[in-house]
Amino acid sequence: QKEVEQNSGPLSVPEGAIASLNCTYSDRGSQSFFWYRQYSGKSPELIMSIYSNGDKEDGRFTAQLNKASQYVSLLIRDSQPSDSATYLCAVNFAMDGQNFVFGPGTRLSVLP
Amino acid sequence: EAQVTQNPRYLITVTGKKLTVTCSQNMNHEYMSWYRQDPGLGLRQIYYSMNVEVTDKGDVPEGYKVSRKEKRNFPLILESPSPNQTSLYFCASSFYGSGANVLTFGAGSRLTVL
Repeated sequence: QKEVEQNSGPLSVPEGAIASLNCTYSDRGSQSFFWYRQYSGKSPELIMSIYSNGDKEDGRFTAQLNKASQYVSLLIRDSQPSDSATYLCAVNFAMDGQNFVFGPGTRLSVLP
Repeated sequence: EAQVTQNPRYLITVTGKKLTVTCSQNMNHEYMSWYRQDPGLGLRQIYYSMNVEVTDKGDVPEGYKVSRKEKRNFPLILESPSPNQTSLYFCASSFYGSGANVLTFGAGSRLTVL
């Protein structure tokens, strides 16, 4: 059973702080990793994708991947109230297919 | 505009009354899938399709059927809905193959089975 776990929330941070979201996955053969943001009642939207070990930065967002530790994280710098949402970690376990498994999500609240 | 369209967005039905949730994408994606989302459980895959006439079970397929007769359409069929199928459903699509597998989601269909 392939599993994706995320740190339990909700997570509250003050405006301007760094929010750190964590995710672990069960299969060492996993190929690609994604962070989706989901506002209440809306569909998930892609924030970041990462395929190689290390950091990947996009504006205020940084994804970090450590395949040896089976760990992927998302850092949000200068958090804004508009970042308040549920963040879903998704892992594609297949090399050439589409076997996505999502974590349960971490709810983030950024307090003004 | 590139999008995944689901219908209906909201539906209340009764136990045993067959229903179909439609999903259509205009991006010529090979891969399409259905997820259900329940509080605390995240998104769970119901069925997926790699291409026309190619479908496979996801993690929670019981009580659901799908078909893929055309590349753009992937309807979800509940032959005899039960209250435990009350959920928020999402259809998603992407290109098939490694390195090009970012999912595009529909707006969601909230289903209530009484």
